[in-house]
Order: sequence, then C-alpha cells, then structure tokens
Amino acid sequence: QQPVQSPQAVILREGEDAVINCSSSKALYSVHWYRQKHGEAPIFLMILLKGGEQKGHDKISASFNEKKQQSSLYLTASQLSYSGTYFCGTEISSIQGAQKLVFGQGTRLTINP
Amino acid sequence: DTAVSQTPKYLVTQMGNDKSIKCEQNLGHDTMYWYKQDSKKFLKIMFSYNNKELIINETVPNRFSPKSPDKAHLNLHINSLELGDSAVYFCASSQPGRSTEAFFGQGTRLTVV
Repeated sequence: QQPVQSPQAVILREGEDAVINCSSSKALYSVHWYRQKHGEAPIFLMILLKGGEQKGHDKISASFNEKKQQSSLYLTASQLSYSGTYFCGTEISSIQGAQKLVFGQGTRLTINP
Repeated sequence: DTAVSQTPKYLVTQMGNDKSIKCEQNLGHDTMYWYKQDSKKFLKIMFSYNNKELIINETVPNRFSPKSPDKAHLNLHINSLELGDSAVYFCASSQPGRSTEAFFGQGTRLTVV
C-alpha cells in the first residue's frame, strides 16, 4: 500500500543534481515530500495534489505525473544542507475508513564537498 | 514555541518495564498520529486520533495503548517492553480533510536493554 521510492541511496558532490522517484501501482490521492536529517524530525517540503502538477522552491522541485502514480523530487545544484533522508508520503484509506499518511521507505542523500 | 513536543527525548529501560511517552501540539489540529521509525529508517504508522477518538489502529501489539485526554495531547503507553520495541517514536499532527502537511515532534529514542 505504501509508495515505493528509488533509489535507496544517492551520493553526490556538491553542485550535482539528483532525482528521487516515488511510485505506486494505484493512483495516489496526494504526494507529500519530507526531508529528515540525522537525529531530527521529518520536515515537510511540499505536497502535490493534481495530476500533471509541478511545484518547487529554491532549487528543490517536484512533479506528479498525469496518472498520479508517480512523483519525482528534483534537487538542482545540490548543497551540503540537502543531505538527509527523503520520504514521499501519501494519504490512503484505512480499514476504518479514515485517511492515513503512509510513507515510502526513504532515500538517503549524501552530499560531499 | 514548539508546535509538536514530545517527552522524553531519550528513554532507556529494561525489558518487561512499562513506560509512557507524552505528546502535545499547539497548532489546533484535530488529528494526531504515532509513528515508529526502526533502524532502517522506515516510518510506520501506529495510531491516529481525531478529536480524541481513535480512528486508526494499525497491527500493533496490545501492549501499546494510546490515550488522548484532549485533542492537543496524545500519549503512548507501552507495557512489558521487549527488545524489538527499541526504535524512535514520532508524534505528529495535521488538519484532516485538506491534504495539509504533518508536523512532527522531535522524536523519542527508546532503547530496551
């Protein structure tokens, strides 16, 4: 039920670009992106709701494909501060009928100087 | 002023003990969650409360019992702690129905020895 992320880990040099993918076999209600630094809480980056939507701020952006089964997070000209584990999340219906926020397995991004 | 706060931040205890983790949010959100993050960084939802009522209870052992005295607080009590309970537990809150971001507490690192 939870989305699947790829790759599991990425190692870059400062200034390089990265793409993290999040996919599902079924259409997603929404896609959330979070970043978690070591020993800290996950922090919200952005949310996409509509098929074909693209969003971004600074050099981090994301897209949601038309079928709403895949989202990609783009990190351009990466900075040391971008290091961390990135999670995509989506809201799915629980057995009890309520929406719950579930996450992919995470992608660990390491930026080296 | 911290939006979602958890106490304690670290908890080391022996097998068989009972312990509690407290969570409070000052965002006025109606929904609060407990997540467990294991050593592989996977964020697994455990419980969700909406306005003090339990709405999601994942396949979590009965030794785990959440309690919500009011919609700003969600505590987690764990009985008869086992080695496998060692993990980081995150509390989070959000406003349901509008696909808004989830705010996470700083986490409680539980170590069972």
